[in-house]
Formats: sequence, structure tokens, C-alpha cells
Amino acid sequence: QQKVQQSPESLIVPEGAMTSLNCTFSDSASQYFAWYRQHSGKAPKALMSIFSNGEKEEGRFTIHLNKASLHFSLHIRDSQPSDSALYLCAVSPLPGTGSNRLTFGKGTKFSLIP
Amino acid sequence: GALVYQYPRRTICKSGTSMRMECQAVGFQATSVAWYRQSPQKTFELIALSTVNSAIKYEQNFTQEKFPISHPNLSFSSMTVLNAYLEDRGLYLCGAREGLGGPETLYFGSGTRLTVL
Repeated sequence: QQKVQQSPESLIVPEGAMTSLNCTFSDSASQYFAWYRQHSGKAPKALMSIFSNGEKEEGRFTIHLNKASLHFSLHIRDSQPSDSALYLCAVSPLPGTGSNRLTFGKGTKFSLIP
Repeated sequence: GALVYQYPRRTICKSGTSMRMECQAVGFQATSVAWYRQSPQKTFELIALSTVNSAIKYEQNFTQEKFPISHPNLSFSSMTVLNAYLEDRGLYLCGAREGLGGPETLYFGSGTRLTVL
């Protein structure tokens, strides 16, 4: 059964900082990797996703995937107060196989120093 | 845009009683619906995955007898927590997606928070 683990459990950074959130997974057959963000009291929302090894950048966010290391990460640059949230990583097997299971980690609680 | 509504937002039930929660997809066809539980211990567990025209697949530690799910059409799903006890506390989230393959993005509702007395 897929195991997805996130680190750190929580992170507090000053505004403007660059930071990294990590996610490891156990199933080497995984094909889809995503980050979701959940603001307090709100629904989790998909932030970014990636299928193949390498990097993908969208604005201040970059996702980096290394399948061989069973690891992917989310880099946030120029952290803003609106970035404060619970960040959840999610992993899924090959899309379209009929097995649409998305397995989530427990999350990293990210907040800015007030 | 794609939206998912869940209700009730919060519910309190006595130990041993049951409660039903509902999930409504608006703006897209919810071909598959996944029910998750986000517990006070911060785990984010998949309970079951319901895909139209397929049997509902329950994860290890979750059963149909305890968490019966209905997915009668492409916009609605419901789940009941039968015989709720303290360990069933948590935020129950439904995530719906359109299509049977391709991108895996789930659109989540804001959840139903279950408190058991």
C-alpha cells in the first residue's frame, strides 16, 4: 500500500523567504504527483502537479520531481501571508488505469512570522 | 468553474448513532467521488472511491457496513457513518473529479466536521 510522508510537519518563515516542502512516496510505479493547499477552514485546492521527472514552475511556486529517489518537493519563493496554509502532497498511479486513488500525506503546516 | 458543496458543515452525534453527509458537484460531472477523513491526529485517509458504473472500492480499515456510500448520479454523492464512536471524529471531505482518466485533479468540498459525544 502506498505510503506518502511529508516533512517538515510545520514551518514558520519570515515574509519574503524562500522555502522547500518535501514529500516521499513508497510506490515506484506512481505516475502523478501533486500539491494541494488547504487554508484554515477551507477545502483543499489543487496547487500544482507534475507527471515526469524534472521541474515545473508556476509563478512563485516550483515543483521538483525525482522518481528514482521517490521524492518530490514544492519550493515557494518570496513567501506571502496568503501562502499560510496546510500543504498536502498527493500521489497517484498511472492515470486512466481505472485506479484513480490519490494518496495524501499528512501535510506541512506553513505560516509566516507575524 | 467547478465547485463542490458539502453539508452539513458540522454535526454532533451521540456515540452509537449514525449521521449522513452529502456532497454536491456544480459545474462539472462528478464521474468519480473520493471520500476522505482528515482526523484530529492529522492523517488524511482515503475511505472509498466511487466511480459511476463501477463498484465502490473501500480502503483497508473502512467497510461498506460502516460507511455506506451512494453515488446515484453525476452530481451527487452521500456517505453515512453508522454507529459512530469517538475514533470516527474528524473532517470528512469529498473530492470529485470529471472523467475516468487523464488529469487527476480533485475538487474538494469544505468538509463535514463530525464530533461524537
